[in-house]
Amino acid sequence: DAKTTQPTSMDCAEGRAANLPCNHSTISGNEYVYWYRQIHSQGPQYIIHGLKNNETNEMASLIITEDRKSSTLILPHATLRDTAVYYCIVRGGSGNTPLVFGKGTRLSVIA
Amino acid sequence: SAVISQKPSRDICQRGTSLTIQCQVDSQVTMMFWYRQQPGQSLTLIATANQGSEATYESGFVIDKFPISRPNLTFSTLTVSNMSPEDSSIYLCSSSTGGDGYTFGSGTRLTVV
Repeated sequence: DAKTTQPTSMDCAEGRAANLPCNHSTISGNEYVYWYRQIHSQGPQYIIHGLKNNETNEMASLIITEDRKSSTLILPHATLRDTAVYYCIVRGGSGNTPLVFGKGTRLSVIA
Repeated sequence: SAVISQKPSRDICQRGTSLTIQCQVDSQVTMMFWYRQQPGQSLTLIATANQGSEATYESGFVIDKFPISRPNLTFSTLTVSNMSPEDSSIYLCSSSTGGDGYTFGSGTRLTVV
């Protein structure tokens, strides 16, 4: 699976959009981009995933560049409860392969 | 998606003893994965467990230290053996249904004294 690079930490004002970038320049054609978050040492929580098209769900939007070498997770209206470590993971193959976690981005939402 | 019940949620153990962590999934799942998260660190994969076969361990993890059982498609255990303070971590299980979804247990916070 391709390696990802994320900023170590970011701050965001409550109510504003949080934009979390991720570089995955070695991604291959059949690899998906996944985003998970971990709130204060709980189990990681699924947010969203995509292959090449932009995706949106009730939690977030995922914007993938046309060359697929980077992506951005957008939390449209961040709240204090969104404070967490956000992991961008690139995974290919089937669901029989595990997720491999990098260091992630620690997002602090500030009142 | 599947829901995983993991227990115990936390424990404090004496060095030299062993602890078995259990994960129960509310539906049949293809694969289960075990992770370790040391203080302030990201998740590190310990092993992959498929029902009916021996677990596959990642580099740096061995079966004698972390034996895993996977007796059926809804249950798995991880034992941390002969514990030392360096084993103090959060241990998490995860499951895959074979599709795109991965679910995680809530974790076991282990402190070895």
